Amino acid sequence: DGGITQSPKYLFRKEGQNVTLSCEQNLNHDAMYWYRQDPGQGLRLIYYSQIVNDFQKGDIAEGYSVSREKKESFPLTVTSAQKNPTAFYLCASSILGSEQYFGPGTRLTVT
Amino acid sequence: RKEVEQDPGPFNVPEGATVAFNCTYSNSASQSFFWYRQDCRKEPKLLMSVYSSGNEDGRFTAQLNRASQYISLLIRDSKLSDSATYLCAVNLNTGFQKLVFGTGTRLLVSP
Repeated sequence: DGGITQSPKYLFRKEGQNVTLSCEQNLNHDAMYWYRQDPGQGLRLIYYSQIVNDFQKGDIAEGYSVSREKKESFPLTVTSAQKNPTAFYLCASSILGSEQYFGPGTRLTVT
Repeated sequence: RKEVEQDPGPFNVPEGATVAFNCTYSNSASQSFFWYRQDCRKEPKLLMSVYSSGNEDGRFTAQLNRASQYISLLIRDSKLSDSATYLCAVNLNTGFQKLVFGTGTRLLVSP
């Protein structure tokens, strides 16, 4: 069953804690992306990666970090430096130059 | 001016109606265009790509107007199940498949 998986679906953390969101794909896509969606707003790009061991900041990278050690995996760490971390986080992947497909998302709540 | 703009709606239509949404983009060099559908609290799902010659898939038709810099989505014979938010996405052709998403247009189809 090919696709993109994200875990967990819901995540609750206390302020000041770092948290890592998982994203795995078995579509053999080269490119992977992390977006954040807030209520009533569009998707905003956090980080993206075109190949293993390489990634670039998106529009709102402050307070986030990523790694791309394997083609299939692109975990996102939300650090304590992120001022408003509560949001819906979406991971996507694509063949380079083609349409993006999304995972089911992780809803992060930080209190 | 925003890079990608959509009327947030909601568009309230009865079952069986035809409804159309537009999405304007600011970068005339944009190369790729997509429509996504997003259900409440779910991930966006690719509905269709938008080609220069237009694209039709069943009840859905997408068009590109480069001169006026907008794409459109036409839904014929609306079903209750079409109720969702429709996001447009534009590749700004920055040398990488970086999609910029609109904030979405909400469609409500009523019996």
